[in-house]
Amino acid sequence: EVQLVESGGGLVQPGGSLRLSCAASGFTFSRYWMHWVRQAPGKGLVWVSRINSDGSSTTYADSVKGRFTISRDNAKNTLYLQMNSLRAEDMAMYYCARESNNDIYSDWGQGTLVTVSS
Amino acid sequence: DIQMTQSPSSLSASVGDRVTITCRASQSISSYLNWYQQKPGKAPKLLIYAASSLQSGVPSRFSGSGSGTDFTLTISSLQPEDFATYYCQQSYSIPITFGQGTRLEIK
Repeated sequence: EVQLVESGGGLVQPGGSLRLSCAASGFTFSRYWMHWVRQAPGKGLVWVSRINSDGSSTTYADSVKGRFTISRDNAKNTLYLQMNSLRAEDMAMYYCARESNNDIYSDWGQGTLVTVSS
Repeated sequence: DIQMTQSPSSLSASVGDRVTITCRASQSISSYLNWYQQKPGKAPKLLIYAASSLQSGVPSRFSGSGSGTDFTLTISSLQPEDFATYYCQQSYSIPITFGQGTRLEIK
């Protein structure tokens, strides 16, 4: 059974940093592209970033480019999202998602909540 | 960026009803259209991919159609567990974009 378990969310002040993790199990993690998708409270889904299977290629939404960094450790079956210079508008539930192919999200984690407030 | 527009934004229906949700892309996306269901407090779940392919384990009352810019998700006979929010998503180009969601409520 595919499992994706996010962690690392919490309360952070504007301008602060946070690193999210997504622990994967139940599949060969190193074969799959992975994504982060976020959802502000009461709002819709917004794609954040993706990384290819070996970590050599990354892509970001314009809203986070230069502030967020996606990475992975295939030996640890873990996906990361380093978030710097956090803003109020970054406050959201952050989901990691496994891409089956062509940016289709076949599996999602339960999410980790990031709150940005002073 | 490709804009995805769903209609309606909300919908009230009864168990047993046939329901159709529409998604329109701001430019042609071929068949790179996926549908997700999200229940309160839960992660989204993939229902339909590539416009019309049913994800494994999803009941056959769900179906998708369309290509180019206009797509539909149809639930043939609503069940109590289908009341949720539905999102379309284009996977044609980066940035990946979602529709704003359609909230399906019990009448």
